[in-house]
Amino acid sequence: EAGVAQSPRYKIIEKRQSVAFWCNPISGHATLYWYQQILGQGPKLLIQFQNNGVVDDSQLPKDRFSAERLKGVDSTLKIQPAKLEDSAVYLCASSKTGNPQETQYFGPGTRLLVL
Amino acid sequence: EDKVVQSPLSLVVHEGDTVTLNCSYEVTNFRSLLWYKQEKKAPTFLFMLTSSGIGKKSGRLSSILDKKELFSILNITATQTGDSAVYLCAVVTQGAQKLVFGQGTRLTINP
Repeated sequence: EAGVAQSPRYKIIEKRQSVAFWCNPISGHATLYWYQQILGQGPKLLIQFQNNGVVDDSQLPKDRFSAERLKGVDSTLKIQPAKLEDSAVYLCASSKTGNPQETQYFGPGTRLLVL
Repeated sequence: EDKVVQSPLSLVVHEGDTVTLNCSYEVTNFRSLLWYKQEKKAPTFLFMLTSSGIGKKSGRLSSILDKKELFSILNITATQTGDSAVYLCAVVTQGAQKLVFGQGTRLTINP
């Protein structure tokens, strides 16, 4: 079974530029999560999708971050414009139904450095 | 606000040692606690604990939950260099559909 795929693996940009990350969850998984993990901290949930609908985006900085999952499969996360404090690893995870008791499978992450 | 705190933040031991990692939490309506191992970038699932006193074991790793004292421990015996990683603890609350992670413990096993 293929795992969660993410691209790119690394990205370096200057502040105020835009960046987009892509995630393809495990086939058949209805729920997709985007996490932000700042160095030395645990992952923080940014947004959770159930199929193509948003379940929770309470911690997404909506003035600069946006995410979509138009067809309920893959997803993109965008930052526009980026700030220095956005430097982090962005992890995508998926689970079958979204039941919080269910295991979430994480992708390899995208490491973003904002200069 | 829900909070998960792990200790120590960093631990360096020699191969063969036994280590105990701690996770304490303050959350409303606790549902379950999960442990993940994070090597490089992607966290991988280790255990899920829901009931007090009933531990989980997988090889050299074991974990137990104390719902009265609001903490969990992850124990690794006969450590190997491959156990070097960041170990993350996360809590799921009733009603919320998300994991709240601690800051992680960075474990380094020296040969």
